[in-house]
Amino acid sequence: DTGVSQDPRHKITKRGQNVTFRCDPISEHNRLYWYRQTLGQGPEFLTYFQNEAQLEKSRLLSDRFSAERPKGSFSTLEIQRTEQGDSAMYLCASSHRTSGRTYNEQFFGPGTRLTVL
Amino acid sequence: DQQVKQNSPSLSVQEGRISILNCDYTNSMFDYFLWYKKYPAEGPTFLISISSIKDKNEDGRFTVFLNKSAKHLSLHIVPSQPGDSAVYFCAASIFSGTYKYIFGTGTRLKVLA
Repeated sequence: DTGVSQDPRHKITKRGQNVTFRCDPISEHNRLYWYRQTLGQGPEFLTYFQNEAQLEKSRLLSDRFSAERPKGSFSTLEIQRTEQGDSAMYLCASSHRTSGRTYNEQFFGPGTRLTVL
Repeated sequence: DQQVKQNSPSLSVQEGRISILNCDYTNSMFDYFLWYKKYPAEGPTFLISISSIKDKNEDGRFTVFLNKSAKHLSLHIVPSQPGDSAVYFCAASIFSGTYKYIFGTGTRLKVLA
């Protein structure tokens, strides 16, 4: 399977605990995105990497959230001191920048569903 | 503010008939529009896209129409099949330092056999 993979698929944690999610993009893709989706809403942009550089962070990404992509391949999203409002589906997507095109479609992983009790 | 709106949360269509899903947007700077399909417990899957300089793009049973003056796009599925039952998200792409997608809230399509 050469699609985007995410681990774990489900995470239940208690309020105040730290959690970390992993995303493995499609291997030749140099762009990686994190989104958050809550019930009844579409995915909301959180942050974006081109190779290992984090180029943009949404204001939705509070100081408790940190994302890394240390070698320009897989990425991790960590949430510290989780709150009940963090309960959501966390989606990772990747795309490949092609010269001559002004955009490239993003391919999504299956998501990590976080439940904070 | 919701820049991309899907005002119909759900739609039911008979198998073999046309499904029309609608999307409205407010930002004239959007340069691409995309439709994604999402099944339960899976991530969104890219379906079809259209550049803001086009008014129609067709791919098999799927056609997307763009009306820039009305800031409206629609996805037509003909003929509809039970396997098309899913949540459909409209997304708009905007470049502001990087390309970001802004998604609508989705329309749940149910195709009745």
